[in-house]
Amino acid sequence: DGGITQSPKYLFRKEGQNVTLSCEQNLNHDAMYWYRQDPGQGLRLIYYSQIVNDFQKGDIAEGYSVSREKKESFPLTVTSAQKNPTAFYLCASGDLQNEKLFFGSGTQLSVL
Amino acid sequence: QKEVEQNSGPLSVPEGAIASLNCTYSDRVSQSFFWYRQYSGKSPELIMSIYSNGDKEDGRFTAQLNKASQYVSLLIRDSQPSDSATYLCAGGDSGTYKYIFGTGTRLKVLA
Repeated sequence: DGGITQSPKYLFRKEGQNVTLSCEQNLNHDAMYWYRQDPGQGLRLIYYSQIVNDFQKGDIAEGYSVSREKKESFPLTVTSAQKNPTAFYLCASGDLQNEKLFFGSGTQLSVL
Repeated sequence: QKEVEQNSGPLSVPEGAIASLNCTYSDRVSQSFFWYRQYSGKSPELIMSIYSNGDKEDGRFTAQLNKASQYVSLLIRDSQPSDSATYLCAGGDSGTYKYIFGTGTRLKVLA
């Protein structure tokens, strides 16, 4: 069953804590992306990666970090430096040939 | 000007009518455009892509692209209550593999 798997579905962060959101895809896509969505807002790009071991900052990278050690995986760490982390986080992967972007089911992060 | 701009709505149409959703874009956006449907609390789902001027039809959906006017639209024929959702317009960021999203238009189809 092909697709993009995000986990966990819900995540709670304590102040000063780093948390990691998982994203795995088995679509054989080269590109992967992390977006943040706030209520009533559009999607804002945090980080993206076009190839293993390489990634670029998006529009709102401060307070976040990523890694791309495997083609299938692109985890996002929300660090304690991100002072307003409550949001819906969406991972996506893209076929660079036809430029289509597909999303995982999302992770809702809240602050305790 | 925002790179990809949409009216936030809500756009209300009666069941069975045609819903027309519009999106304008700036010079930064390339020639590939996408429409996503997002239900509340769920992730966006790709419903249409369009790359060249003109119309592209897929079932009840028609995407229209006018490069001269920097305008892309989505028509939903025979609208159903299940079409009630937020529709996101997205375009490719020229020269990169990034995608730029509008803030979405909320559609309400009234039974």
